[in-house]
Amino acid sequence: GQQLNQSPQSMFIQEGEDVSMNCTSSSIFNTWLWYKQDPGEGPVLLIALYKAGELTSNGRLTAQFGITRKDSFLNISASIPSDVGIYFCAGQANQAGTALIFGKGTTLSVSS
Amino acid sequence: GAVVSQHPSRVICKSGTSVKIECRSLDFQATTMFWYRQFPKQSLMLMATSNEGSKATYEQGVEKDKFLINHASLTLSTLTVTSAHPEDSSFYICSARGLAGKKFFGPGTRLTVL
Repeated sequence: GQQLNQSPQSMFIQEGEDVSMNCTSSSIFNTWLWYKQDPGEGPVLLIALYKAGELTSNGRLTAQFGITRKDSFLNISASIPSDVGIYFCAGQANQAGTALIFGKGTTLSVSS
Repeated sequence: GAVVSQHPSRVICKSGTSVKIECRSLDFQATTMFWYRQFPKQSLMLMATSNEGSKATYEQGVEKDKFLINHASLTLSTLTVTSAHPEDSSFYICSARGLAGKKFFGPGTRLTVL
């Protein structure tokens, strides 16, 4: 199935550092979402973006919906050990009834 | 927020048997549910879209006769893996569509086929 291009694939950082990851698509999306998944669990929604250019924050997390509608980024500031996990971007193309398409994920490791 | 449950959370079965996984929307009605499969260290891949009262729509490469989907009510969709084989071992995750098209994910079901 179709997938988004998500990078980087993995990151190893020190506690307190800022993190940035992004997703790109060859097609336009009307919705961009960012999820975090812990081992053995389902994805948990972090931030949802519904308008091109939209910049939204959730605590230390900030995400933006690219103006071209083909990309999005997620920033995590001042990382802490519990930020460890796999982060997925997901996009929805058109109607609300369509399924989400997921990126391949970014595995974040934080050392204290 | 809206809650989606899955049952069982883990299942181990012998090769050749069938396994049923349930996905329930606990506090909202979901006319549409989605089934994903996730292999280790990989992303979620959409298997099928389940619509209440009608046949499911399967993604290319997913065998509809092997992965039977029944969405008999507005709060329940089931995925049955028939004649399971070791290569079907995976993490199966459902998602239910709620109000305004928002998707809510279940906690996943870990299937291990021996």
